[in-house]
Amino acid sequence: AQKVTQAQTEISVVEKEDVTLDCVYETRDTTYYLFWYKQPPSGELVFLIRRNSFDEQNEISGRYSWNFQKSTSSFNFTITASQVVDSAVYFCALSESGTYKYIFGTGTRLKVLA
Amino acid sequence: DGGITQSPKYLFRKEGQNVTLSCEQNLNHDAMYWYRQDPGQGLRLIYYSQIVNDFQKGDIAEGYSVSREKKESFPLTVTSAQKNPTAFYLCASSMRDRGRGNQPQHFGDGTRLSIL
Repeated sequence: AQKVTQAQTEISVVEKEDVTLDCVYETRDTTYYLFWYKQPPSGELVFLIRRNSFDEQNEISGRYSWNFQKSTSSFNFTITASQVVDSAVYFCALSESGTYKYIFGTGTRLKVLA
Repeated sequence: DGGITQSPKYLFRKEGQNVTLSCEQNLNHDAMYWYRQDPGQGLRLIYYSQIVNDFQKGDIAEGYSVSREKKESFPLTVTSAQKNPTAFYLCASSMRDRGRGNQPQHFGDGTRLSIL
């Protein structure tokens, strides 16, 4: 069975702090894809990154970085030097190869205080 | 600009009434989806469609119906059988895997449905 767990319901940080959002997944498939999305107050989910199960390289994009570890079934997201505009709900999602279904975690609400 | 358009942004339903939420995409995506979002529960899949004239139930399809007569359109009807319809509804689409693996979904702005 597929499952995505985001244990952190809400995180509050002060601007310029670094923050890590955790994502743990379960799947029996060997080929799968992991995603992170940002949902600002406006409601639309914005795609941030896609990672396939064969690529364990960490990725950095500006202030964002992602740490994928198959050994612990985790795909964590770090924001460096957080800004108020980073305040949003962040979702991690899993999709097994060959399927059209995407399984979402329950999301982590990030509040960045000025 | 390509994207997904959901309408209306806000919708109110009376007891015993069916209401239809619109979702249109011009991204030429094959697959379309409807999700329901409740506070603290993330996104739950209602229905999805991989191609025109075909759709499958998701995890919480009871009380909902869909149609896929055109590639661009995937309307969702919330029927009177859905006793707790108050939620935020999101429509999404994605490209078919053409040897490049599962692609990310693109989302609309959502429709917020409330009971009168």
